[in-house]
Amino acid sequence: GAVVSQHPSWVICKSGTSVKIECRSLDFQATTMFWYRQFPKQSLMLMATSNEGSKATYEQGVEKDKFLINHASLTLSTLTVTSAHPEDSSFYICSGRTSGRGLSSYNEQFFGPGTRLTVL
Amino acid sequence: EDKVVQSPLSLVVHEGDTVTLNCSYEVTNFRSLLWYKQEKKAPTFLFMLTSSGIEKKSGRLSSILDKKELFSILNITATQTGDSAIYLCAVEARDTGNQFYFGTGTSLTVIP
Repeated sequence: GAVVSQHPSWVICKSGTSVKIECRSLDFQATTMFWYRQFPKQSLMLMATSNEGSKATYEQGVEKDKFLINHASLTLSTLTVTSAHPEDSSFYICSGRTSGRGLSSYNEQFFGPGTRLTVL
Repeated sequence: EDKVVQSPLSLVVHEGDTVTLNCSYEVTNFRSLLWYKQEKKAPTFLFMLTSSGIEKKSGRLSSILDKKELFSILNITATQTGDSAIYLCAVEARDTGNQFYFGTGTSLTVIP
């Protein structure tokens, strides 16, 4: 399967600061990237969908001014948590998928390893 | 409102038991249903189902989809402690940015 990396894998920050998380597709072009949030022992919650070169589509209840998503290229998307607060502490996972046929006939999404954010 | 519901929420079994995990969905413009296994970090892909009645099998795991009744099951036979994980079901919708709707997950614990 294809590889998606995330950086950093974990980050601790002070309340009020901003944190940027990078998501890269290493061996394929991700025309679409998804950002998820996961609380302990819970399922993935989709935050937003982004297509390369266009604005992200945010799910209901997700503040777009707080969670800034940029998908500037086919291999990189970033999520910036602005003015982070303790309630933003969570596990953030990105996934990428391609619309092309070359990668997989299943057109599945490929997950990054996740970023653990702790806001003090 | 589109939704995916999994049951049970958690399950504890002994090694060697067979388990059946359920996933029901109400999603407009269904495209596919996917099963994932999640241990410590990101989910790993198990199966993708698009057609009713065709069983997909991989070792001790198998899965089938019923598009009429809108559900899927994931079976694990002869369970092992390494099967302990959260099993996630996701449904892909057509024409909404190909969005994935994840279920609540089933936490499976296999004890020796």
